[in-house]
Formats: sequence, structure tokens, C-alpha cells
Amino acid sequence: QQQVKQSPQSLIVQKGGISIINCAYENTAFDYFPWYQQFPGKGPALLIAIRPDVSEKKEGRFTISFNKSAKQFSLHIMDSQPGDSATYFCAASRDNFNKFYFGSGTKLNVKP
Amino acid sequence: DTGVSQDPRHKITKRGQNVTFRCDPISEHNRLYWYRQTLGQGPEFLTYFQNEAQLEKSRLLSDRFSAERPKGSFSTLEIQRTEQGDSAMYLCASSSTSGGYNEQFFGPGTRLTVL
Repeated sequence: QQQVKQSPQSLIVQKGGISIINCAYENTAFDYFPWYQQFPGKGPALLIAIRPDVSEKKEGRFTISFNKSAKQFSLHIMDSQPGDSATYFCAASRDNFNKFYFGSGTKLNVKP
Repeated sequence: DTGVSQDPRHKITKRGQNVTFRCDPISEHNRLYWYRQTLGQGPEFLTYFQNEAQLEKSRLLSDRFSAERPKGSFSTLEIQRTEQGDSAMYLCASSSTSGGYNEQFFGPGTRLTVL
């Protein structure tokens, strides 16, 4: 059973638009939720992360929204740029410094 | 560059051969993780170390897989008697338990192709 479910599988957005990727989890013991960005042939790179004691975290054009009661969290990319075209993975872990459970990924294509 | 490094970047082998991959974590990081990623999927956890101690192994890690971190620095992942289903990207990540957050930094991966 997949611990973290991610949608959509792929996303096409116009330059300057908002990209939204959603993730849902079941295990209420999860206490750390990162988002990773991966370009073809590269390893995942940490983008932004949140803990369940806050509902939103913003870093530049990237924002995580977290809904603890719904067990959902999402990544918003404002003013999307062609350079943002990559695959994005959400993840979750519990008990601090434990392994990550990753979502299945969202391939984002930002059209110029 | 002081990030996580992996060697080799690509490995092509024939079914039945043994392969070994190396990971060098960020120098002050005491935790080291191995994940496997197949095409179009997210990384899946294989095993992790704290210093030289292997703390957890996934059920994905069959008896043909073994990992070591002998001096608490670099780590090796060995696959014996490779099978075509082992073809994947093998990712290494490291983190520091002194940082307060589970920030895992990934290497570029080793892409394994089993013919």
C-alpha cells in the first residue's frame, strides 16, 4: 500500500501561471513533509519542507500548504518558469531522521 | 563540490554478475540512506546507516543485496547474481542528526542496466 499518494501524474502550465501538486497520506505519525525536484539524469534536490505544526511555508516562489485534519499537503509554484520543468516528488517521514516514503511524482512542463 | 557523490554513474552488466556501488556522503553527515528508483516512480527505501551501524533494511532488500558502511564514512551497496529486475537508479542520500530536521541530500545516483 502506497503510503503517500501524489497527483496529478503530469501537469502542463503556461509561463507565469501557478502550478499546484497535491499529496495525501494516511499515517498520522508522519511529522516531516519535504518536496523534492528532480531533473532527468540527476538525483532529487530538496526544494522546501514543512512540519505539521504549521499550515503554510513559503520560500520564494514555492509554497507548501498543509492540512493536518485532511492529511493532505500541496506544493504551489507561483509565476512558473520554463526552468521549473522537472519532476516533483512529495515525501513523508516519521520519528525524525527516518526513511522517506515518496509519492509517485508529478512531471511538470512549463510552456514558454 | 562537497555534496553527496556516487560512483559509478552508470553500470551495464550481464545477468548473473555481481556489481558494487559506492557512495560518499557529505563529510559531517552521520546518517546514510540507500534508495532505488525505477522509471516513472518515486525513490523506494532500501536501507540506512547511522555511522557504521545498519539500522533498518527494507523487505525490498533481498538476500542478494548487501550494504556496508565500515568506518562510518563512505558506503557500498553490492548486488550479487544480478537480475533484469534490478535495473534501476540507485540513489544515496545523507543527513545529519544534529540539524534538527530530516534534510536528506541526494547524490546523482548510479544507473544500473542488467542485460
